[in-house]
Amino acid sequence: AQTVTQSQPEMSVQEAETVTLSCTYDTSESNYYLFWYKQPPSRQMILVIRQEAYKQQNATENRFSVNFQKAAKSFSLKISDSQLGDTAMYFCASFPGAGSYQLTFGKGTKLSVIP
Amino acid sequence: DTGVSQDPRHKITKRGQNVTFRCDPISEHNRLYWYRQTLGQGPEFLTYFQNEAQLEKSRLLSDRFSAERPKGSFSTLEIQRTEQGDSAMYLCASSSDREGEKLFFGSGTQLSVL
Repeated sequence: AQTVTQSQPEMSVQEAETVTLSCTYDTSESNYYLFWYKQPPSRQMILVIRQEAYKQQNATENRFSVNFQKAAKSFSLKISDSQLGDTAMYFCASFPGAGSYQLTFGKGTKLSVIP
Repeated sequence: DTGVSQDPRHKITKRGQNVTFRCDPISEHNRLYWYRQTLGQGPEFLTYFQNEAQLEKSRLLSDRFSAERPKGSFSTLEIQRTEQGDSAMYLCASSSDREGEKLFFGSGTQLSVL
């Protein structure tokens, strides 16, 4: 079974600043995937970034990057140069490499970007 | 690529009625998923299809819930004898065989049971 924990229910950041969202997870799988999804007020879940557990290099996507600490089972998201459009719920999620097709989500962090 | 499409966007029903939702995945995606999201929570897995075969079901999926994907294309999720606790956003997602872990979500169907 997988669990995903996001300990920050809400965060705020000034426009153009950098913010880091935290996530810890637990899994018995040796190979798995980790994700950050964004859900704006429109409610559409949008994939922000993906990390494959067997890759040591941290994933980056433009202004978004992760800090993947496999031993600590930690997977944080860093948003640089925050923009007003980044205001949304952010969900951390894990997907097992085999045996199940369940994407398990955390409870989310509500991020507000302040002008 | 028109994305994952869900219909209707909103559904209001009375307790005890049956409702059905439809999901059209991205056309080349063989894998289809249903999730449920209540206010303030992350989505919870309900069920998974690979082509027309339903390969995984959550214990959250009570016997009042049934999902089908008869021709391996669109899928329907039916809830019979709805209860107020069924009020939630029902999300559909799809993925390809090549990148099965990369789910693309639809905009969801918001169900309100009065």
